[in-house]
Amino acid sequence: AQTIHQWPVAEIKAVGSPLSLGCTIKGKSSPNLYWYWQATGGTLQQLFYSITVGQVESVVQLNLSASRPKDDQFILSTEKLLLSHSGFYLCAWSLERGDTEVFFGKGTRLTVV
Amino acid sequence: GDSVTQTEGPVTLSEGTSLTVNCSYETKQYPTLFWYVQYPGEGPQLLFKVPKANEKGSNRGFEATYNKEATSFHLQKASVQESDSAVYYCALSSSGSWQLIFGSGTQLTVMP
Repeated sequence: AQTIHQWPVAEIKAVGSPLSLGCTIKGKSSPNLYWYWQATGGTLQQLFYSITVGQVESVVQLNLSASRPKDDQFILSTEKLLLSHSGFYLCAWSLERGDTEVFFGKGTRLTVV
Repeated sequence: GDSVTQTEGPVTLSEGTSLTVNCSYETKQYPTLFWYVQYPGEGPQLLFKVPKANEKGSNRGFEATYNKEATSFHLQKASVQESDSAVYYCALSSSGSWQLIFGSGTQLTVMP
């Protein structure tokens, strides 16, 4: 069975500090990968998607970057955190695009202070 | 661009009463429509999806009909349970798109 693991579960970071969040998908070969962001009490906003290793497309600009160093790994990072980066970050995967189900991880809660 | 608008929350109901969460959408494409449910501290999970206009989706007693003429996809359940308490999201994805567009979410609390 496929599993999606996100790390860390939660982070408290200072404004201006760097950030690296990660996720690993096991049990699926060459999945499409996504990063979503959810402000507290807010909706889900897609940030990035990747259809293959080394290729990442940005959907919105939030002073964040993403990379896919391996087929099963997706990394979200920034060199300098802003207060507005606080929220819930969700990694997700799918097999197709468009009308397919997207499967979400359990998320990382980020608090920037 | 594409957008989804749904009932503003929070919604509080008593067990055994009926639920309707309104969802309307805008797109120039031919979307697949989804309802996702999110429990506290977890990622959303698919409740059901409907890829074709005028068809109905259902799961766990929840149902919604893809109404292309009205551009609506309202979620309904005849009798809610306390375990249905969660946030419900309407979403769409257009054919060939890499984006899944979510509505603002509706927080449902069911009182015993």
